[in-house]
Amino acid sequence: NAGVTQTPKFQVLKTGQSMTLQCAQDMNHEYMSWYRQDPGMGLRLIHYSVGAGITDQGEVPNGYNVSRSTTEDFPLRLLSAAPSQTSVYFCASSRAGSTDTQYFGPGTRLTVL
Amino acid sequence: DQQVKQNSPSLSVQEGRISILNCDYTNSMFDYFLWYKKYPAEGPTFLISISSIKDKNEDGRFTVFLNKSAKHLSLHIVPSQPGDSAVYFCAASAYTGANSKLTFGKGITLSVRP
Repeated sequence: NAGVTQTPKFQVLKTGQSMTLQCAQDMNHEYMSWYRQDPGMGLRLIHYSVGAGITDQGEVPNGYNVSRSTTEDFPLRLLSAAPSQTSVYFCASSRAGSTDTQYFGPGTRLTVL
Repeated sequence: DQQVKQNSPSLSVQEGRISILNCDYTNSMFDYFLWYKKYPAEGPTFLISISSIKDKNEDGRFTVFLNKSAKHLSLHIVPSQPGDSAVYFCAASAYTGANSKLTFGKGITLSVRP
């Protein structure tokens, strides 16, 4: 099992550019989520999904879109990148909900200039 | 308003001694608590959890204590090992299940000296 994979590992964008952060898991988990971690702060939930076709907002959803067309994949889209979105992004999955053991990917470090 | 607080940003302990990491919360609706450990350049990994119906949960060298009246929990690591050096995040949720959402603290950096 590869677990949770994220691509790319590093990305530099200019303000206004768009991009998609990829996340995939091979554990057949229903629950997937995206967090961002900023210096000196804990992880903050951006969006989550309880199953294919179902997504919902977390604590900091503005500027991000998600979709869940398959159980395995949960991409995060930045429609028009802003410097405030400079952060490390983590994708996670679990069998059922965030209070179940979540398995995190290695993260994507994004810089927006 | 920070609902999960880890007020000490760092902790340094000697190998073999006890590490005590503290966490306070303000939301009385929280009823499930978790600890995650994070090494540099890696994603967090789950460590241990506790439900509000318990006041203690143990897993090997790791024990979490919950004091609901004080809205305080602590993670004890005994004995501490150099490999325990990492950032530890406390997290809480108001409910369990599919739509649960975690609120994380800022983390504590633990350094275990050989």
